[in-house]
Amino acid sequence: QKEVEQNSGPLSVPEGAIASLNCTYSDRGSQSFFWYRQYSGKSPELIMFIYSNGDKEDGRFTAQLNKASQYVSLLIRDSQPSDSATYLCAAPAGGTSYGKLTFGQGTILTVHP
Amino acid sequence: DAGITQSPRHKVTETGTPVTLRCHQTENHRYMYWYRQDPGHGLRLIHYSYGVKDTDKGEVSDGYSVSRSKTEDFLLTLESATSSQTSVYFCAISAGTNTEAFFGQGTRLTVV
Repeated sequence: QKEVEQNSGPLSVPEGAIASLNCTYSDRGSQSFFWYRQYSGKSPELIMFIYSNGDKEDGRFTAQLNKASQYVSLLIRDSQPSDSATYLCAAPAGGTSYGKLTFGQGTILTVHP
Repeated sequence: DAGITQSPRHKVTETGTPVTLRCHQTENHRYMYWYRQDPGHGLRLIHYSYGVKDTDKGEVSDGYSVSRSKTEDFLLTLESATSSQTSVYFCAISAGTNTEAFFGQGTRLTVV
């Protein structure tokens, strides 16, 4: 089992809808989780991080973490065409991490007008 | 934006030739990483560094070597390039464990 898995997508939503992106992880010791957005041909950029169980909101983005279920999600409210990108979930690699991150394979999101 | 510069940004090379990619940071971060990104595989860690002259292998290290002689520079060398190493390579930096990583612009490498 991969350490970090994302729902494969691709995901297509209409403009103004809520996009829901999901990620599961295998290492129960993971303390922090990161969501990156990657536009086509560009590098990944951090959009959210979450350390605690529950929800964390930042503008139109909400990250949700459930450590008991080893599940982390990203909700994008009022989706815009500019949100169309690949979204990557990441968690620290197991053991002595040295800051290493393990990434999911990414979910391609398309927001259509 | 985090101060990370990768060079070159694009390179085409022939099978069997050595290739070196450079990552330069101005953030004085301790940790540096090289990832490759391929369709269907996401980002995979090649090598990483946790200090000057301190490096270790990631999950896809075969055929690659690295060096870090200064805090700001992390070099990735393909000892004898193969077509399977055609990919987009990203350098990343991090200040510590359980913190976010910041990525460079990427290098698109094509081995023909």
